[in-house]
Amino acid sequence: GESVGLHLPTLSVQEGDNSIINCAYSNSASDYFIWYKQESGKGPQFIIDIRSNMDKRQGQRVTVLLNKTVKHLSLQIAATQPGDSAVYFCAENTDNQGGKLIFGQGTELSVKP
Amino acid sequence: DGGITQSPKYLFRKEGQNVTLSCEQNLNHDAMYWYRQDPGQGLRLIYYSQIVNDFQKGDIAEGYSVSREKKESFPLTVTSAQKNPTAFYLCASSLLQDEKLFFGSGTQLSVL
Repeated sequence: GESVGLHLPTLSVQEGDNSIINCAYSNSASDYFIWYKQESGKGPQFIIDIRSNMDKRQGQRVTVLLNKTVKHLSLQIAATQPGDSAVYFCAENTDNQGGKLIFGQGTELSVKP
Repeated sequence: DGGITQSPKYLFRKEGQNVTLSCEQNLNHDAMYWYRQDPGQGLRLIYYSQIVNDFQKGDIAEGYSVSREKKESFPLTVTSAQKNPTAFYLCASSLLQDEKLFFGSGTQLSVL
């Protein structure tokens, strides 16, 4: 079946370094992608999103890159802080009906002080 | 503050028992969703509703039931037919036809 997946289940970085979390998707018809951050025991929080007509979108300390040629999505976090430690999920919208996202497995980011 | 409230935070179910998880939102969103999250896995859609008194099955609806009598509320019942109910349950809402979901803080359901 079609799914969103992550290359790495865990990522450990030093405080102050940049982090890159990767995500592969298989449905070329997906036109919307979104990243969430989930801290332990809490619900996912929106980080940033991007539509398929864009290659890059920047937020505060975060950048999402979309490569439609290889069906790859990445989340870059600049100057990673201990508060960034969490599980990060990518998700895609495949049916153009709004809100029915397909989620990947998640990557756990651990920031070492 | 506007948001989504899930209760209880923790819930225990005895074998053969039905339990109901509450989800209330004051964001004036039309659409509401229930997801199930198992350890180390992504979120899977159980049910969703885009309008009052109407709802659709998601990918893993078996053993669950929902109702949508009010725009603000979308309770989920985990029935005795759900043989593996232990999981973290997340409720979400969105504007109609908007892909961005806003999530509640979740309910951890465990079996006694």
